[in-house]
Amino acid sequence: AQRVTQPEKLLSVFKGAPVELKCNYSYSGSPELFWYVQYSRQRLQLLLRHISRESIKGFTADLNKGETSFHLKKPFAQEEDSAMYYCALSLLNTDKLIFGTGTRLQVFP
Amino acid sequence: ETGVTQSPTHLIKTRGQQVTLRCSSQSGHNTVSWYQQALGQGPQFIFQYYREEENGRGNFPPRFSGLQFPNYSSELNVNALELDDSALYLCASSFGQAGNTIYFGEGSWLTVV
Repeated sequence: AQRVTQPEKLLSVFKGAPVELKCNYSYSGSPELFWYVQYSRQRLQLLLRHISRESIKGFTADLNKGETSFHLKKPFAQEEDSAMYYCALSLLNTDKLIFGTGTRLQVFP
Repeated sequence: ETGVTQSPTHLIKTRGQQVTLRCSSQSGHNTVSWYQQALGQGPQFIFQYYREEENGRGNFPPRFSGLQFPNYSSELNVNALELDDSALYLCASSFGQAGNTIYFGEGSWLTVV
């Protein structure tokens, strides 16, 4: 069965510290993976997708098929990065998303 | 360009009642998906509509049903409400069946008492 696991409910760091939000997945096919973010009082929005290999707001994520992971990283956290982050997987050739339970990132000044 | 809009934003229903939630897709989008997000959980896929036809369904019972209209707006109907149906219901729209960015609405908070 397809599954996305985010082991940390909460991650707290100080401004300027590196951040890594963990995501592991299980899927028998070739996955398409995403990170979505929800800032306070805002709607869920796409942060990045592995296919585009972009860096958005300084965040990057690399798909590691051997470890079935898609961790989100940022070298220097900013206070405005505080939000809820969801890792998601879409089934092949569909837009149906399977989400993890989310990790709340708190960046302290 | 208007985003995905949902109504109502909040509502309270009694166990056993029926509820209809509405969604207007983003301009130009012909695919609508519905997700249920219980407190402390990630969104769970309910079903998707593409050009007025159901195009996939998650692990939800038949009392969860939907419609998509010719203007690509959509409704989610839930019959025989149960306490566990209390959740945030998210609508998302996109263009086509795969590969394009999905945009979410702000959701409808349903409380079943």
